[in-house]
Amino acid sequence: ETGVTQSPTHLIKTRGQQVTLRCSSQSGHNTVSWYQQALGQGPQFIFQYYREEENGRGNFPPRFSGLQFPNYSSELNVNALELDDSALYLCASSLASGRANEQFFGPGTRLTVL
Amino acid sequence: GNSVTQMEGPVTLSEEAFLTINCTYTATGYPSLFWYVQYPGEGLQLLLKATKADDKGSNKGFEATYRKETTSFHLEKGSVQVSDSAVYFCALRATGNQFYFGTGTSLTVIP
Repeated sequence: ETGVTQSPTHLIKTRGQQVTLRCSSQSGHNTVSWYQQALGQGPQFIFQYYREEENGRGNFPPRFSGLQFPNYSSELNVNALELDDSALYLCASSLASGRANEQFFGPGTRLTVL
Repeated sequence: GNSVTQMEGPVTLSEEAFLTINCTYTATGYPSLFWYVQYPGEGLQLLLKATKADDKGSNKGFEATYRKETTSFHLEKGSVQVSDSAVYFCALRATGNQFYFGTGTSLTVIP
């Protein structure tokens, strides 16, 4: 069973640029969630995708957008990068059904905005 | 709304000491509760979970009991090891599949 993978591991961008982060979900999982984890903070929910549709969104502006593909892998796109976007971006996959379904997290992508 | 409040760190303990990390929550409905652990440079790993009131989750010597009357899910371990040094996150899953995390508690265990 393959776990959740994310790419790239690290990324450096400048203000105003755009970035795309990628996530491959764990085998058999149809739901992907994205989180932003600022330094010293807990993960904050950005949005979730279920079967290629957005299925919930946290308090993030529209310049944060995403996609999910038929194989359930996912992308997070951030436009017009700001300094405060510097963070660890975590992807987590799960099965949609079941109250106690845990989310399996990838190792994250560390984004630095200069 | 939904939120999780964790005991602030950092926490420093000697090896074999007793550990408690406090976690309380606010939630609509009947959430499931989780503890995740994050080792340096890594993503989050599930440590234990509980899905209903009075359930006790346990793993690797860690335990936490879902207390609905006090809206708490405190993490405990009887004897910590150096390898337990990490950041611990309490989380809840309410309606839907969204998780809400606390701010994390950093634990350092010294030999």
